Amino acid sequence: SAVISQKPSRDICQRGTSLTIQCQVDSQVTMMFWYRQQPGQSLTLIATANQGSEATYESGFVIDKFPISRPNLTFSTLTVSNMSPEDSSIYLCSVVVPDRDPYEQYFGPGTRLTVT
Amino acid sequence: RKEVEQDPGPFNVPEGATVAFNCTYSNSASQSFFWYRQDCRKEPKLLMSVYSSGNEDGRFTAQLNRASQYISLLIRDSKLSDSATYLCAVKSSGGYQKVTFGTGTKLQVIP
Repeated sequence: SAVISQKPSRDICQRGTSLTIQCQVDSQVTMMFWYRQQPGQSLTLIATANQGSEATYESGFVIDKFPISRPNLTFSTLTVSNMSPEDSSIYLCSVVVPDRDPYEQYFGPGTRLTVT
Repeated sequence: RKEVEQDPGPFNVPEGATVAFNCTYSNSASQSFFWYRQDCRKEPKLLMSVYSSGNEDGRFTAQLNRASQYISLLIRDSKLSDSATYLCAVKSSGGYQKVTFGTGTKLQVIP
């Protein structure tokens, strides 16, 4: 398995500000993902963080709102920009263990964001 | 129709009971299937992958029915510690490895 850490674990932010969430993995992984989980809802994929190239965003999510960096195979950041209360959610980083059959996906502990 | 659908529950069952969850998926080309467990205020954790032939891990049995496009999870001899939300997940086929999650089924095992 992979050990994933996220910072911060939680934050309370004012509307209009931005927050950058960090995700660190203890091994090199090809695929890293960012998800959002709103209260009582399931996981919604925001984007796939690609090392060395732009992230691939899912429908309904755009780079200007959720810029992502992936400088190497063990680290990624997600920024939530110009926040509004609707962005209050848990944001989770996820990785796929390489060369594992079948495909196994692991999640970080999440960042609980509250926007006031 | 949602890509992946689950009965949200909650399922309240006594200790020792057997409980089964179903999950339906809409994309017939889906290739891989999983069950995750999510405890309150925690991240999801992979419980088991679901193979075409069905698979068992201790008290947990997962099955796949491709013809009807559903997967199931059976928990035998329920323990209090099994109380959690169980998410099913489906991976699409092809090179883009996107996994879609269901909304989860909440299980509460009561003494």
